[in-house]
Amino acid sequence: DAKTTQPNSMESNEEEPVHLPCNHSTISGTDYIHWYRQLPSQGPEYVIHGLTSNVNNRMASLAIAEDRKSSTLILHRATLRDAAVYYCIPDNAGGTSYGKLTFGQGTILTVHP
Amino acid sequence: EPEVTQTPSHQVTQMGQEVILRCVPISNHLYFYWYRQILGQKVEFLVSFYNNEISEKSEIFDDQFSVERPDGSNFTLKIRSTKLEDSAMYFCASSRTPLYGYTFGSGTRLTVV
Repeated sequence: DAKTTQPNSMESNEEEPVHLPCNHSTISGTDYIHWYRQLPSQGPEYVIHGLTSNVNNRMASLAIAEDRKSSTLILHRATLRDAAVYYCIPDNAGGTSYGKLTFGQGTILTVHP
Repeated sequence: EPEVTQTPSHQVTQMGQEVILRCVPISNHLYFYWYRQILGQKVEFLVSFYNNEISEKSEIFDDQFSVERPDGSNFTLKIRSTKLEDSAMYFCASSRTPLYGYTFGSGTRLTVV
């Protein structure tokens, strides 16, 4: 499994953009980069995923470095509801270990009003 | 938006008893998973299930654990003889195809006393 490194915690103010970084220097060429978040007392929630190109959806944007060794999750305008633990997870979705997500400690995002 | 439903939300059981945790995955999903999270620790993969058989299981998923999809809609996790260390949040997840991410339920809190 590819190893990931994320900051333990980050803080933001409401309505400001947040950039959550992740290093995954040992990622394989077929691993997708998934981001999940876990709100307090809830199950993980899918945020976004990508392979090589930058991706946008209604929740966030994902910027993937050209060498794929790092990525950044971008929340364009943080809300109080975005306070959660954010996990960056390489996933070999097309390989034999599909669905075996390896969660790290993630980044605890605190959003201030 | 479709949801993965887990019941019960909280189960208390005596050590040595059998428990069955129930999940109703999203109806058109084909891949099913169980994860667990011991309080204060990481989310850990237990097992993946596809085409009516286990695709992969972790070291945690020993002979005390079993999974079943008895009727085409439910997906269950059985723990035959619970131990104190089985106390955790158990999350069910499903996916139409792993390329599109995974939807998690809100979990069952299992307390073994």
